Amino acid sequence: SAVISQKPSRDICQRGTSLTIQCQVDSQVTMMFWYRQQPGQSLTLIATANQGSEATYESGFVIDKFPISRPNLTFSTLTVSNMSPEDSSIYLCSVELYSSGIWETQYFGPGTRLLVL
Amino acid sequence: GESVGLHLPTLSVQEGDNSIINCAYSNSASDYFIWYKQESGKGPQFIIDIRSNMDKRQGQRVTVLLNKTVKHLSLQIAATQPGDSAVYFCAEKSGTDKLIFGTGTRLQVFP
Repeated sequence: SAVISQKPSRDICQRGTSLTIQCQVDSQVTMMFWYRQQPGQSLTLIATANQGSEATYESGFVIDKFPISRPNLTFSTLTVSNMSPEDSSIYLCSVELYSSGIWETQYFGPGTRLLVL
Repeated sequence: GESVGLHLPTLSVQEGDNSIINCAYSNSASDYFIWYKQESGKGPQFIIDIRSNMDKRQGQRVTVLLNKTVKHLSLQIAATQPGDSAVYFCAEKSGTDKLIFGTGTRLQVFP
């Protein structure tokens, strides 16, 4: 597996502002993913970020609201723009790696807990 | 389609007993399945995975069973411990499509 870190671990923000979340991996990975997890619910994929190409967004998520950068094979950022209380959630970074050298699987970072007031 | 839970089913087991957490998946074309454990305040932690050409895979204290006929996946935890208390998610994937998560099950272990 990989060591995945996220910054910040949590934040409280005012509506209308933006927050950029960083994801750092200790090894080079091709596929990185950003998820949202609302309280008490399952995970929803926001977008897939491959190095050197534009991020691919899932239905219901747009680049203007959630711009993503992927400058190299170990780092990505997700910005939550013009925040509203409905954006209060856990945001998770995930990478795809070989599991015990057999299959590629997804590993998750610790998450960023965002509260928008 | 997406599987997003509106409530979280709960399984309560006594410490030392075996736990069985079930998951019904939606896509008959799914060929890869993963179980994750998510403790409070943490990200999902990979537990075990299985491919569709297998019906059973064992790890340390955990076993995953796959029944493709009825699209059912289960996670068995032997000798459940207090540290096993968490929310468990199953996830399915078809080829290079995105990972689809189940609704999650909360496991509570009592002494």
